[in-house]
Amino acid sequence: AQKITQTQPGMFVQEKEAVTLDCTYDTSDPSYGLFWYKQPSSGEMIFLIYQGSYDQQNATEGRYSLNFQKARKSANLVISASQLGDSAMYFCAMRENLGRRALTFGSGTRLQVQP
Amino acid sequence: NAGVTQTPKFQVLKTGQSMTLQCAQDMNHEYMSWYRQDPGMGLRLIHYSVGAGITDQGEVPNGYNVSRSTTEDFPLRLLSAAPSQTSVYFCASSRPGSLVHEQFFGPGTRLTVL
Repeated sequence: AQKITQTQPGMFVQEKEAVTLDCTYDTSDPSYGLFWYKQPSSGEMIFLIYQGSYDQQNATEGRYSLNFQKARKSANLVISASQLGDSAMYFCAMRENLGRRALTFGSGTRLQVQP
Repeated sequence: NAGVTQTPKFQVLKTGQSMTLQCAQDMNHEYMSWYRQDPGMGLRLIHYSVGAGITDQGEVPNGYNVSRSTTEDFPLRLLSAAPSQTSVYFCASSRPGSLVHEQFFGPGTRLTVL
């Protein structure tokens, strides 16, 4: 079974608008972390935001926020006030505390911001 | 700090050739890992190491070897390259004791096997 599912292969958003990128996950580990990474066309992986499974509040980092709904096992990324430079691939990933403690990635969402 | 560095940036191999992808970090991170990214997919774990002298297999280890003789370096060896190993390879490191335990990624190596 897929541990991380990103159901939106591609998304379009107008500049200055907000956009939500979906991510659902599957784990039986009670302690885990959820991450979002941005991959621009240049190819590097850029860490955006982190949410721990025991965190009570949704994580925020500047224009990025993570809408964490634990019961639904979802961790959606919200980008407010989109900018042209936000055009990139976005990956949701999970680290489980048991086992390898490495990241398991979803297949990604390509976001295109239109002027 | 240079962070995580990878060499080479690009490499073309013929089927059956061997080579080593280099990865180094200067952040004194205990945890290092190798991922591969195929077109249209997320990253998949090849091998990882929780410290010098300790390595283990990830999700897709076949055809690859690793060793970790120092904290800083974590080379990935392709034993006999195959076209199926054409991919972008990322090395990452992290400090397990940190609150977030975020992984810092190198810039990647784009490998083509003909």
